[in-house]
Amino acid sequence: GESVGLHLPTLSVQEGDNSIINCAYSNSASDYFIWYKQESGKGPQFIIDIRSNMDKRQGQRVTVLLNKTVKHLSLQIAATQPGDSAVYFCAETHFGNEKLTFGTGTRLTIIP
Amino acid sequence: SQTIHQWPATLVQPVGSPLSLECTVEGTSNPNLYWYRQAAGRGLQLLFYSVGIGQISSEVPQNLSASRPQDRQFILSSKKLLLSDSGFYLCAWRDRGVHEQYFGPGTRLTVT
Repeated sequence: GESVGLHLPTLSVQEGDNSIINCAYSNSASDYFIWYKQESGKGPQFIIDIRSNMDKRQGQRVTVLLNKTVKHLSLQIAATQPGDSAVYFCAETHFGNEKLTFGTGTRLTIIP
Repeated sequence: SQTIHQWPATLVQPVGSPLSLECTVEGTSNPNLYWYRQAAGRGLQLLFYSVGIGQISSEVPQNLSASRPQDRQFILSSKKLLLSDSGFYLCAWRDRGVHEQYFGPGTRLTVT
């Protein structure tokens, strides 16, 4: 969705707990989704991706869940650490599209 | 491995002055290249993208322009900066046939 003019929603999680960051998308044609992590003053960093023929994909301490029925994407971070504090963006696109559409972004703060 | 460079890292320019930001990618050929702008605490706004040398697509009307004089070089320019041009400028690239984009370290521009 359109993310340019919106303030970022925030999420605070105690260190060691699990966090879930959510993202809604609107384009039914979207078939590829990405999560990015952006630390303060740096460019976004690729975390994990998922294709529409999957509903779950796991990485190191991260899991992405895709629910195509309700057009919802989530990023789960297990056993959060202070270094997980950042802004997290979801992005979506479809075959043949040269561009990514980014979500609003969520600021995750890990409380020591 | 692929590397993306942006310079300068920070820039302070007076209103009405020209701008030139440069982005180069190493370790790949014929990438798609992208320029984004990010206002403080906001999401990512796509400004321009290029699928080849001399091919520029503009997403947002503004006083900025982009050029791609070489395969792995992408330049963002302005003849006269406005206060509203302040922001964090990010360059990104992706290989053909994949969707994920990889971002550079960014340039923080302050127009005074």
